This record gives sequence, structure tokens and C-alpha cells, in this order.
Amino acid sequence: SQQGEEDPQALSIQEGENATMNCSYKTSINNLQWYRQNSGRGLVHLILIRSNEREKHSGRLRVTLDTSKKSSSLLITASRAADTASYFCATDQAGTALIFGKGTTLSVSS
Amino acid sequence: KAGVTQTPRYLIKTRGQQVTLSCSPISGHRSVSWYQQTPGQGLQFLFEYFSETQRNKGNFPGRFSGRQFSNSRSEMNVSTLELGDSALYLCASNPLGRVGETQYFGPGTRLLVL
Repeated sequence: SQQGEEDPQALSIQEGENATMNCSYKTSINNLQWYRQNSGRGLVHLILIRSNEREKHSGRLRVTLDTSKKSSSLLITASRAADTASYFCATDQAGTALIFGKGTTLSVSS
Repeated sequence: KAGVTQTPRYLIKTRGQQVTLSCSPISGHRSVSWYQQTPGQGLQFLFEYFSETQRNKGNFPGRFSGRQFSNSRSEMNVSTLELGDSALYLCASNPLGRVGETQYFGPGTRLLVL
């Protein structure tokens, strides 16, 4: 079963708006990561947040982690058309494999 | 450094055939993981190799196998192909082989089984 589940499944916004997507997971983790995938190509790593961190920033990205609620959120500020992609959260599962959610498809229109 | 490369990028096979996909990790990376991505099941972990040894395996039938060579290049093989094996196969490399650390993905091999 999937360790991470993203919400919403799809999101459509205008350029300049902020995009927020959420991820929930089921068991304890060491790290949580977010990846981006453009149109069925390879995944690109965006950011990694460790279980003892609550918030992390990278450029226009802000990730939060709430281990008590087993959830994380990814905020993309001032979205651009180039941000159109699918976004996946991934967690380590008992140290055996990186498990991905089914992703949020973000569409940013100009 | 060059990124992760995968060959071939596209492949068309018929049911019952077998296929071999190749992955070259980033230089110095000793861990290679393979994932299958389909619209219905999403990204599913196949297996992970570290220093030529399979360390972890996902919930896939024995038709899916892999190996890693001494230069860390990896191959995966799917025998007796089924229609449901049509997918994007992604490999990822990791420098230290730690599961929760950043994975560097290749562009994928898109396999179509007819």
C-alpha cells in the first residue's frame, strides 16, 4: 500500500497564485521528500525534511511537517507556468524502500 | 557529473517476450533502485541494489529480476511480458545507499506491451 497520499489529486491555478498540496502518511518516518515530475519524465528532487524538522524553505518552496498528524504540505509561492507538473511526496518505510504517493497534478495557466 | 541515464528510452514488445532495461547511475553512486510507474498504481518500488547485492525487493512477481555490475550499472529484466507490464520504468541512484536520502532519477524507459 502507498505510504504517502497527496491531496488534492489535481489543482489548477493562475500564474502568480500560490499552490498548496498536502501529503499524509501512515507510519513513523525518518524523512519525507517532495519530488516533481514533468509530463511522464524522470522525477526531480525538490526538498527533503527530516522528522525532527518542522519547516524548510528552498527558493519559492516551503515544506512543513507535522509528525503528530503524520502530514506534510508543500507550498509553491508565486507560481509560474513552468511549475506545471505532478508533485509527489515520498517517505522511507521501515528503512527498506522509498514509498511514493500518487501525486498532485498542478496546472498553472498564464 | 552526468546524471542517471537509462536505455532504451522507448520500447515496444509483444506479450510473452522478455525485455532488459539498463541504468547507469551517477558516478560514485553505489545504490540503484528501480520503480514502475503506471496511471493506476502510481510509483511502485521494484528492487534496490547496493554493491552488486539486492538489498530490498518490492511486491512484484518473479518475472521481474535485476542485477548490478561492479561499475554500479544495473539492469532489470522482465520475462514473459504481460499487457499490464506496460509502464514507465524509472531507476534512481543514491550515493550512500540510505533509503530515506535523496534519490536521483533517470528519464525512464517507457515500455509498451502489445
